[in-house]
Amino acid sequence: EAAVTQSPRNKVAVTGGKVTLSCNQTNNHNNMYWYRQDTGHGLRLIHYSYGAGSTEKGDIPDGYKASRPSQENFSLILELATPSQTSVYFCASGDQGWDTQYFGPGTRLLVL
Amino acid sequence: GDSVTQTEGLVTLTEGLPVMLNCTYQTIYSNPFLFWYVQHLNESPRLLLKSFTDNKRTEHQGFHATLHKSSSSFHLQKSSAQLSDSALYYCALSDSPSNTNKVVFGTGTRLQVLP
Repeated sequence: EAAVTQSPRNKVAVTGGKVTLSCNQTNNHNNMYWYRQDTGHGLRLIHYSYGAGSTEKGDIPDGYKASRPSQENFSLILELATPSQTSVYFCASGDQGWDTQYFGPGTRLLVL
Repeated sequence: GDSVTQTEGLVTLTEGLPVMLNCTYQTIYSNPFLFWYVQHLNESPRLLLKSFTDNKRTEHQGFHATLHKSSSSFHLQKSSAQLSDSALYYCALSDSPSNTNKVVFGTGTRLQVLP
């Protein structure tokens, strides 16, 4: 069974603070993705990566950075958190465009 | 760019009735891959079924869908809804098997099955 883990699972941050969300996968998948999930918007792609050292902008990258230091790890960084970034964030991994994406359990982020 | 449209935000029906969740897509590529993901409450999305073959029915766990390229549709159906089918359903599109491609998700349809 494919395994994707995320930490923290819940996070409360202050406006203007820095937030780092971490994702780890043991599937040896090349591709990893960060999404945010909001009612009425569904899953929206923030950043993705094809492998260690690579990051690509998704559909809503503004206000977010990403880092892929290794095959297993992919981080999402909010340098200056804003209340509009309050959401549920999902990490996923997969091998190819048509392959199944395996999602982590999600991180609930509240920015006050 | 690519897009996926799910017109119903919420579908409510009674247990035992048939289910049909609509999904249409737009892409300039001739061989898209279509997916349905399901997300139960407090869980993460997981793949329900996928297809890339035109006019071929794909089935899994009682659900089925047929990709119709002529109408750019990939509707999800089930003959008889169960209470446990209550969940959020996402239709998604990938326009290439390339390892550099990404998946575009629709806005999701929440299915609520009542007793």
